[in-house]
Amino acid sequence: AQSVSQHNHHVILSEAASLELGCNYSYGGTVNLFWYVQYPGQHLQLLLKYFSGDPLVKGIKGFEAEFIKSKFSFNLRKPSVQWSDTAEYFCAVNEGDDKIIFGKGTRLHILP
Amino acid sequence: NAGVTQTPKFRVLKTGQSMTLLCAQDMNHEYMYWYRQDPGMGLRLIHYSVGEGTTAKGEVPDGYNVSRLKKQNFLLGLESAAPSQTSVYFCASTRLRSGATYNEQFFGPGTRLTVL
Repeated sequence: AQSVSQHNHHVILSEAASLELGCNYSYGGTVNLFWYVQYPGQHLQLLLKYFSGDPLVKGIKGFEAEFIKSKFSFNLRKPSVQWSDTAEYFCAVNEGDDKIIFGKGTRLHILP
Repeated sequence: NAGVTQTPKFRVLKTGQSMTLLCAQDMNHEYMYWYRQDPGMGLRLIHYSVGEGTTAKGEVPDGYNVSRLKKQNFLLGLESAAPSQTSVYFCASTRLRSGATYNEQFFGPGTRLTVL
């Protein structure tokens, strides 16, 4: 069965700390990978995406993610978080069909 | 461009009532989706459509029906609402995939539904 796992359900960090959110998927074929962000009270917005090529992708607001095929992972990183990064983050995977599967999300709380 | 819009934004229903949620997109996207979002569950796909006149079941289709009579609109119906359908509903759309590339989805603002 398709699955996307986000290991951290709730993360609390202080401003300027570094961030890494884990995402693993189970499909062994060609994948398209996404990270979305949902700020409080808002809809999902795309942070970054991976289709092919350079496995290190850069997105908006200083976020980046690295696709490691051998580990079935697509972890999200940011070197220095800000209070405004408080949000819920979702990893999502397309496995060659016409839909994507979302992880259960990670709530990130940044302390000022 | 308005992007993806949803109506209504909020609704309270009594058990057994019916309602229709409307999603509209002005980006000429082929694919449209309905999700529900519940705390700790992420987004779960209810139904989706890969083109006008076509629909398919997602992960949690029971209790819902959909229609895609026009390319720009995707309707989600609840025939007999139940408290378990209390949730936030999001619509999304995306372009036709190009080869191995599946494009990002664009989301609407959501509909918060409470069933008493």
